[in-house]
Amino acid sequence: DTEVTQTPKHLVMGMTNKKSLKCEQHMGHRAMYWYKQKAKKPPELMFVYSYEKLSINESVPSRFSPECPNSSLLNLHLHALQPEDSALYLCASSHGLAGALDTQYFGPGTRLTVL
Amino acid sequence: ILNVEQSPQSLHVQEGDSTNFTCSFPSSNFYALHWYRWETAKSPEALFVMTLNGDEKKKGRISATLNTKEGYSYLYIKGSQPEDSATYLCAFRSLDYKLSFGAGTTVTVRA
Repeated sequence: DTEVTQTPKHLVMGMTNKKSLKCEQHMGHRAMYWYKQKAKKPPELMFVYSYEKLSINESVPSRFSPECPNSSLLNLHLHALQPEDSALYLCASSHGLAGALDTQYFGPGTRLTVL
Repeated sequence: ILNVEQSPQSLHVQEGDSTNFTCSFPSSNFYALHWYRWETAKSPEALFVMTLNGDEKKKGRISATLNTKEGYSYLYIKGSQPEDSATYLCAFRSLDYKLSFGAGTTVTVRA
């Protein structure tokens, strides 16, 4: 199984809502990632988890809160978002963190719209 | 944020024709260069990872070359087919292992 799944596929939320994005992989990967992608722009790294511990936070605002409950699951909790946070949120996983050949496997993304 | 540029942003190619496009990246602190294919509504799919200057990789009709000294990689599609229509992303991995993506080249193959 080389699949990374993400739910939901689409999410519309108001600025006062609290919602969560979910990512799951069963490849035994120990590194998991959240990226944000705006239209026509490169995916931008938000967070990296290694062995269920947060190892990188790319200065992401606190209204985004990641969580890694176990080695297969990665969540992104959303609260008090702004319309400019509307984007495609991609999850990825890799075997390790630093190897040149550590290909990241991506999910299909969650399309988030903040009203 | 490292500057990874892909050109052109989009291209149209007739079925059966060949095409190529470029990924430019910093020539210092190079560790690896990844190529992904991303079809609409699907997950980005890894195509190649290249580490050595002069590397050439091939997968079916798609191939890639790498020049780390001048900081560029070419991706070639030979005899394009409609199923090759996708956005092709490159990603530069620097020595601190961070991955920086380009914005992609969107290829549309016309039947």
